[in-house]
Amino acid sequence: DSGVTQTPKHLITATGQRVTLRCSPRSGDLSVYWYQQSLDQGLQFLIQYYNGEERAKGNILERFSAQQFPDLHSELNLSSLELGDSALYFCASSGVAGDGTDTQYFGPGTRLTVL
Amino acid sequence: AQKITQTQPGMFVQEKEAVTLDCTYDTSDPSYGLFWYKQPSSGEMIFLIYQGSYDQQNATEGRYSLNFQKARKSANLVISASQLGDSAMYFCAMREDSNFGNEKLTFGTGTRLTIIP
Repeated sequence: DSGVTQTPKHLITATGQRVTLRCSPRSGDLSVYWYQQSLDQGLQFLIQYYNGEERAKGNILERFSAQQFPDLHSELNLSSLELGDSALYFCASSGVAGDGTDTQYFGPGTRLTVL
Repeated sequence: AQKITQTQPGMFVQEKEAVTLDCTYDTSDPSYGLFWYKQPSSGEMIFLIYQGSYDQQNATEGRYSLNFQKARKSANLVISASQLGDSAMYFCAMREDSNFGNEKLTFGTGTRLTIIP
C-alpha cells in the first residue's frame, strides 16, 4: 500500500458527460501528480500541483482541469468525455525525501470507461 | 525523440533465474533521476528502485539492482532469483531535475515479464 488513495476505482459513463476523480496524497506529501495510462499513448503526465498551486502542465486537454485543496487532496475533472478518454488515471504524490529522491508514489488508479 | 526506450516488449524467464530489463534514456540535463516501477495485472504502480545521476554506486533494493552506465545512458533493472510474483509490466522512468518545479516522470513503453515455473 503506497499510502495514496484514489476514488472511485472504476467509473463507467457516457460520451459528453463530466466526471471527477479524487486523490488523497500520502501524509505529509505536498506534491500531487496526475497521469493517464492508455493503450495507444502509454503513461503520460497530465498536471502537477504543489501545496495548492499548479506547478507544471503536461499533455492535458482543455476539457480536463484539476485542483488541489487546502487539505492537499486533489481532484481531476474530465468534461465532454469522448471514447478516447477511456484510460487508467493515476494520481501520485511525493515529498522531499532526506536523500533527495522525491520518489513519486502512485495510487491504485481510477479506471475510466467512456461508452 | 524518445526520452526513455525499453526495447523488450516481452520476456519469458524461468523461475529462480536472474533477469535483466533494459532501459536507455536521453537527456541533456546534468541532473536527473531514474526510476523503475512494477505494474502487476491488478493495475497499481509499485515503486521499485531509484538511481540519481550523481550517484557513484549502483542502487540496490533487496532482489532489485540497477545497473547504471552513465556514459551509455542506460539504467537496466536486474532482478535476482526471480519468483512467480515478479510476473508484471515493468516501467523505466526519468525525472529531469533542471526543469525547476516540473518534476514530471517520463515513462518508457514497458516490458512485460513472465516468470515460468
